[in-house]
Amino acid sequence: KNQVEQSPQSLIILEGKNCTLQCNYTVSPFSNLRWYKQDTGRGPVSLTIMTFSENTKSNGRYTATLDADTKQSSLHITASQLSDSASYICVVSAHYGGSQGNLIFGKGTKLSVKP
Amino acid sequence: GAGVSQTPSNKVTEKGKYVELRCDPISGHTALYWYRQSLGQGPEFLIYFQGTGAADDSGLPNDRFFAVRPEGSVSTLKIQRTERGDSAVYLCASSTQVGGSDTQYFGPGTRLTVL
Repeated sequence: KNQVEQSPQSLIILEGKNCTLQCNYTVSPFSNLRWYKQDTGRGPVSLTIMTFSENTKSNGRYTATLDADTKQSSLHITASQLSDSASYICVVSAHYGGSQGNLIFGKGTKLSVKP
Repeated sequence: GAGVSQTPSNKVTEKGKYVELRCDPISGHTALYWYRQSLGQGPEFLIYFQGTGAADDSGLPNDRFFAVRPEGSVSTLKIQRTERGDSAVYLCASSTQVGGSDTQYFGPGTRLTVL
């Protein structure tokens, strides 16, 4: 069964600290993996998209890694800011001829950055 | 506005009523997606359109749910005989093309509450 699991479920850190969020998946055949940031009451916003051949991608203070062998991804946030408080959702796409019915979403990690 | 817009932002209805949720995608985006997000969960795929046609509606939970996109731009998600379990945030997203590593741009969502 295609699944995406994220950990931790929630995380509280102090402003300025770094943190790493985890995503494990059992999606096959794999197409790509995305990380989204979702502020409370807003739609998700794309942070990174990685295909099978990419093992790291950065977007400002966000760095995503992908290990397609172990089917794990991480999102590292450097020098956290209060505005980083949000849910971070990992999404894995299965390759079935472009069918979008195979975007599998994780439940997200809720990050709270405290001053 | 250059982003995806959704109306209404909030909708409260009574069990058994009919509701319509509207999505205005980014101009020129041919692909349009509908998702449903329950509290504390990641988005759940419902249906996607390529142009005017529903290319994949496998996520629609039952025949009370229907979506149209008659002119290949604005889409309407229609829910008949609403049930309390339909209460959720309904998200719409659009992208330039289907599949691959295209970025989906999400709207703010419509929060539906069925009393």
